Amino acid sequence: AQTVTQSQPEMSVQEAETVTLSCTYDTSESDYYLFWYKQPPSRQMILVIRQEAYKQQNATENRFSVNFQKAAKSFSLKISDSQLGDAAMYFCVLTHAGNMLTFGGGTRLMVKP
Amino acid sequence: GAGVSQSPRYKVAKRGQDVALRCDPISGHVSLFWYQQALGQGPEFLTYFQNEAQLDKSGLPSDRFFAERPEGSVSTLKIQRTQQEDSAVYLCASSLYRTRNNEQFFGPGTRLTVL
Repeated sequence: AQTVTQSQPEMSVQEAETVTLSCTYDTSESDYYLFWYKQPPSRQMILVIRQEAYKQQNATENRFSVNFQKAAKSFSLKISDSQLGDAAMYFCVLTHAGNMLTFGGGTRLMVKP
Repeated sequence: GAGVSQSPRYKVAKRGQDVALRCDPISGHVSLFWYQQALGQGPEFLTYFQNEAQLDKSGLPSDRFFAERPEGSVSTLKIQRTQQEDSAVYLCASSLYRTRNNEQFFGPGTRLTVL
């Protein structure tokens, strides 16, 4: 069985500042992918960033970057220059074997103007 | 191109009623997934199709839940004799192929409320 844990139910950040969302996971597989998905209030889930477990280099997508610590099974998301549109639920997600996604419980991010 | 669509967006059912939730995946997407998202929680996997074949239904919570995708495109999730604990948002997602890194594209979900 695989599990994903997000220990921060809510986070807030000032507009233009940087925030880091935490995630830990557990899996017995050696080959897997990790994702961060964003779910705005409209509910449409959107992929933010992905990380292949076999890659040591941390993924980056514009203002979004991850800190992937494979030995510690940690996968945090850093959002730089936060914008009002970043306000949403963020889910840390694990997958292997090409089918189902395993979601964490989510972190609600609030952005203060 | 159109994304994943789901209908209805909202459904209110009386306990004991049967409901049917529809998912239209992105055209050409081979894989289709259903997830259940309880209020304030992350989505949980229900079932998975590759074309018309249901390859994994390990997440279906009871035999009251049934899903089909007869022609390998549109899928329907049916819940018989609904119970209050079935109240949740039901999310559908599709992806082009069944590979680990393949992004799943999500629909807006159907919010089911069982009274």
